[in-house]
Amino acid sequence: GAVVSQHPSWVICKSGTSVKIECRSLDFQATTMFWYRQFPKQSLMLMATSNEGSKATYEQGVEKDKFLINHASLTLSTLTVTSAHPEDSSFYICSARDRTSGLNEQFFGPGTRLTVL
Amino acid sequence: DQQVKQNSPSLSVQEGRISILNCDYTNSMFDYFLWYKKYPAEGPTFLISISSIKDKNEDGRFTVFLNKSAKHLSLHIVPSQPGDSAVYFCAARARNNNDMRFGAGTRLTVKP
Repeated sequence: GAVVSQHPSWVICKSGTSVKIECRSLDFQATTMFWYRQFPKQSLMLMATSNEGSKATYEQGVEKDKFLINHASLTLSTLTVTSAHPEDSSFYICSARDRTSGLNEQFFGPGTRLTVL
Repeated sequence: DQQVKQNSPSLSVQEGRISILNCDYTNSMFDYFLWYKKYPAEGPTFLISISSIKDKNEDGRFTVFLNKSAKHLSLHIVPSQPGDSAVYFCAARARNNNDMRFGAGTRLTVKP
């Protein structure tokens, strides 16, 4: 199946700093990418949906000024956690939809573990 | 608002037996359902799916059943293998919608 990569796989940062996470579709073009967050023992929660070349659509309760999403190309989306705080520590996962497939094809990256000290 | 619910956080099954994972949903607009398998520190991987026009879909050892009237679906794994041990997420998508809603997951442990 299609491959989605994320970088970095884990990051530790100090409170107040910003962290950028990259999500790439390696062998297909993704018109739509999704960002999820997973807290321990909880479900994957959709944070935002981004379409290439347009602004991301954020879910209710997700601060768009804190979680900046850029989807500048068909193979790359970035999530920047600005002024990170310990409560932002979580597992962030992206997924991408293959534009050549049907609506149901969505592939996940391996995730990024963020720890804010 | 938890639109997709997996009420059993964990399930333990003996190797060779059947594993049944359950999922309930509340949104009647959901028309496509998926099961994902997730290992620790990895992203979910797609396992099997079912459209709302069907009530059963089978793929090898994995079968998904959908009961629309009860807004319930289940994943059957038979025979269960130790390598099936993982967290299983149920997900649902509404028609004409991009995103999926996930359940909280069920941790399956298959004992040798």
